[in-house]
Amino acid sequence: DTEVTQTPKHLVMGMTNKKSLKCEQHMGHRAMYWYKQKAKKPPELMFVYSYEKLSINESVPSRFSPECPNSSLLNLHLHALQPEDSALYLCASTAGYNYGYTFGSGTRLTVV
Amino acid sequence: AQSVTQPDIHITVSEGASLELRCNYSYGATPYLFWYVQSPGQGLQLLLKYFSGDTLVQGIKGFEAEFKRSQSSFNLRKPSVHWSDAAEYFCAVGASSGGSNYKLTFGKGTLLTVNP
Repeated sequence: DTEVTQTPKHLVMGMTNKKSLKCEQHMGHRAMYWYKQKAKKPPELMFVYSYEKLSINESVPSRFSPECPNSSLLNLHLHALQPEDSALYLCASTAGYNYGYTFGSGTRLTVV
Repeated sequence: AQSVTQPDIHITVSEGASLELRCNYSYGATPYLFWYVQSPGQGLQLLLKYFSGDTLVQGIKGFEAEFKRSQSSFNLRKPSVHWSDAAEYFCAVGASSGGSNYKLTFGKGTLLTVNP
């Protein structure tokens, strides 16, 4: 298995809702990432997990809450989002410096 | 801190023509360099990567890139473009951010349009 799987592919949520994004990989990668991508912009790093521990938080608002239950799974919990949080959320993983990232196909999030 | 510049926001080429997408990086040490491609609404696919050794690297889909340290460049090339190559292309530099942390910094991207 050489893929990063993200679910759901599309999500519409209200500003008072709580939802979660899921990311899964079975490549044995020990670093996993969440990126946010607005239209016509490059991906922006949100969080880095290394060996299941949060190692980088790029000053992301607390309405985004990451979780890494095990080495294969990464969640992003969403609560009280704003319309400007609408974006493509990408998950990625890597085996290390000289491998590059493997990206999932993303979750298209719309906040109404 | 590392940074990546892609000078061309949008490039249009005719099908069958050659292609070169420019990328300049800034990083104090030997960089890890990547090119990714993204089709609309999709994730990013790795085209090729450079870490060390031969400065001309071959990737998937007939793409290649040349690392030039003197020019801090890592330009992407393809001899003959196909209509299916129309997409957004991102150059990225990878670097350590402390300990075992490692992250990619992306350029702003170049949108490629292919005319029939």
